[in-house]
Amino acid sequence: AQKITQTQPGMFVQEKEAVTLDCTYDTSDQSYGLFWYKQPSSGEMIFLIYQGSYDEQNATEGRYSLNFQKARKSANLVISASQLGDSAMYFCAMREGSNDYKLSFGAGTTVTVRA
Amino acid sequence: DAGVIQSPRHEVTEMGQEVTLRCKPISGHNSLFWYRQTMMRGLELLIYFNNNVPIDDSGMPEDRFSAKMPNASFSTLKIQPSEPRDSAVYFCASTRDLAPNQPQHFGDGTRLSIL
Repeated sequence: AQKITQTQPGMFVQEKEAVTLDCTYDTSDQSYGLFWYKQPSSGEMIFLIYQGSYDEQNATEGRYSLNFQKARKSANLVISASQLGDSAMYFCAMREGSNDYKLSFGAGTTVTVRA
Repeated sequence: DAGVIQSPRHEVTEMGQEVTLRCKPISGHNSLFWYRQTMMRGLELLIYFNNNVPIDDSGMPEDRFSAKMPNASFSTLKIQPSEPRDSAVYFCASTRDLAPNQPQHFGDGTRLSIL
């Protein structure tokens, strides 16, 4: 079974608007971490934001915020005030347990910001 | 601080040749990961090391692939003999410690083409 599901293969957003990228996860561990990465067309993987399973507050990092709904096992990324430079592929990833370093990645969502 | 450094950035070679990909993790990071990214399979973890010791190599596709980490500042991923289906982007990533909120920091990747 897929551990991370990103159902939106591609999205378009108007510059300066907000966009929400969906991510659902599957784990039986109580302790886990959720990460979002950005991959621009140049290919590098850039870490954006982290949410821990025990964190009570939704994570925020500049224009990025994470809408964490634990009961629904979802960790959606919200990008506010989109910029042209936000056009990229975005990956949701999960690390399970407290002793396992492995990350499981979703298939990614391509975001295209229109001027 | 320098990020994860991978070399070469691009490699084109003929099938049957040996390919060696190199990675220098961020100084002070004690875990290192090798990933492969393809359109068909997305991001796959091949192997990871903790304190220079291979912990999980279950993602290594077959015996043609091998990875070493002779010291804390260097790792190699070798493919011998290479095949066209090995064409992919190979990423190396490192992380600092056991804390669950520590993200993996990725290198810029090696784009490998096997003709």
